[in-house]
Amino acid sequence: DADVTQTPRNRITKTGKRIMLECSQTKGHDRMYWYRQDPGLGLRLIYYSFDVKDINKGEISDGYSVSRQAQAKFSLSLESAIPNQTALYFCATSDPGTDPFFGPGTRLTVL
Amino acid sequence: TQLLEQSPQFLSIQEGENLTVYCNSSSVFSSLQWYRQEPGEGPVLLVTVVTGGEVKKLKRLTFQFGDARKDSSLHITAAQPGDTGLYLCAGVLNTGGFKTIFGAGTRLFVKA
Repeated sequence: DADVTQTPRNRITKTGKRIMLECSQTKGHDRMYWYRQDPGLGLRLIYYSFDVKDINKGEISDGYSVSRQAQAKFSLSLESAIPNQTALYFCATSDPGTDPFFGPGTRLTVL
Repeated sequence: TQLLEQSPQFLSIQEGENLTVYCNSSSVFSSLQWYRQEPGEGPVLLVTVVTGGEVKKLKRLTFQFGDARKDSSLHITAAQPGDTGLYLCAGVLNTGGFKTIFGAGTRLFVKA
């Protein structure tokens, strides 16, 4: 089984729809992150969580929300999707002193 | 705004050639990471450099952290088609909170 799993892997939706992207990990890490990747911009941090009761905004949190349901699960929601949220979304995990580990990504297209 | 500029953005070379990718910023980083990403996959960490002037080698890949910890380079010797991919640098800022800045990446294509 993969260490970090993201579902769905691909999603096409329409403007205004609510979308949830899910991430689960078996690495036992406390820290989890959501990033988006756009061509020419690199990865940008949306939200991060250092443990189940901790949620922090990243540099581009507007239009997004997250839920840390358990140590192993961190979901990202787009309450009302818009076309400029079309991007690759990556979940990542880490712990102090360990290397960060990225999931395989979700390709989201908002029409 | 803190930026991490990577150059070149795109590189297409023949198998056996050498190449260098650069990562530059005006910010001082506590550490800098290099990742490789293949299509349909997430970035995979190659190396982390921590000390100014540090050089690390990973087979044919040599990573260097600038003395002032503002820049870094990745040198590949005798590139092979298997080196094809997107190379990302990421600088970790010691701001009291969590902040990692990613460069936009260098897309490398090595032709056989």
